[in-house]
Amino acid sequence: QVQLVESGGGVVQPGRSLRLSCAASGFTFNSYSIHWVRQAPGKGLEWVAVVSFDGNTKYYADSVRGRFTISRDNSKNTVYLEVSSLRTEDRAVYYCVRELQFGYFDSWGQGTLVTVSS
Amino acid sequence: QSALTQPASVSGSPGQSITISCTGTTRDVGSYNSVFWYQQHPGKAPKLMIYDVNNRPSGVSNRFSGSKSGNTASLTISGLQAEDEADYYCCSYRRPDSWVFGGGTKLTVL
Repeated sequence: QVQLVESGGGVVQPGRSLRLSCAASGFTFNSYSIHWVRQAPGKGLEWVAVVSFDGNTKYYADSVRGRFTISRDNSKNTVYLEVSSLRTEDRAVYYCVRELQFGYFDSWGQGTLVTVSS
Repeated sequence: QSALTQPASVSGSPGQSITISCTGTTRDVGSYNSVFWYQQHPGKAPKLMIYDVNNRPSGVSNRFSGSKSGNTASLTISGLQAEDEADYYCCSYRRPDSWVFGGGTKLTVL
């Protein structure tokens, strides 16, 4: 079955960096775009970024563009989100999500929590 | 990047119907049929309930339906059940290259 497992979250100081990983299994990884969606504690969902199936196309939300970098390694079935220049408002659970077809987010990971605090 | 507008909360009694609205702009909801609805129970990952405005994924109850008029999409849940109590989020493609969620609606089954 489709499985997405995020890791790499933790407590980090403002201005510092972190790399989140999303390990995929149970499907042909290099056929699908993968997104990151985040959710601050007690708040709503916010789309963050997407990387195309081949890694050549990447898009970002305005709130993270220039600070976050999405990438993938199809040989390792893994997507990464490099989060830098972290702000307190970046504190959230970060979900890795498979896009089955245009906008159809069918599979979600369990999320990894990023806490930004001095 | 402003979110789509949803009511913060709605409520209904078992067996009743409720509708949740999702208002966007001509850059998103008004111009594309790429509108989706997600259900999220506390502590769980979201689950897709409606795709492309009014289609249900396999396994989703036919009590859930979607529609769109102009810049506003809607999710209707008929025959409310206790297990429908959850947060609901709409999501739309927004040109030129992003996705946007609504602020979320908390559904309470009285």
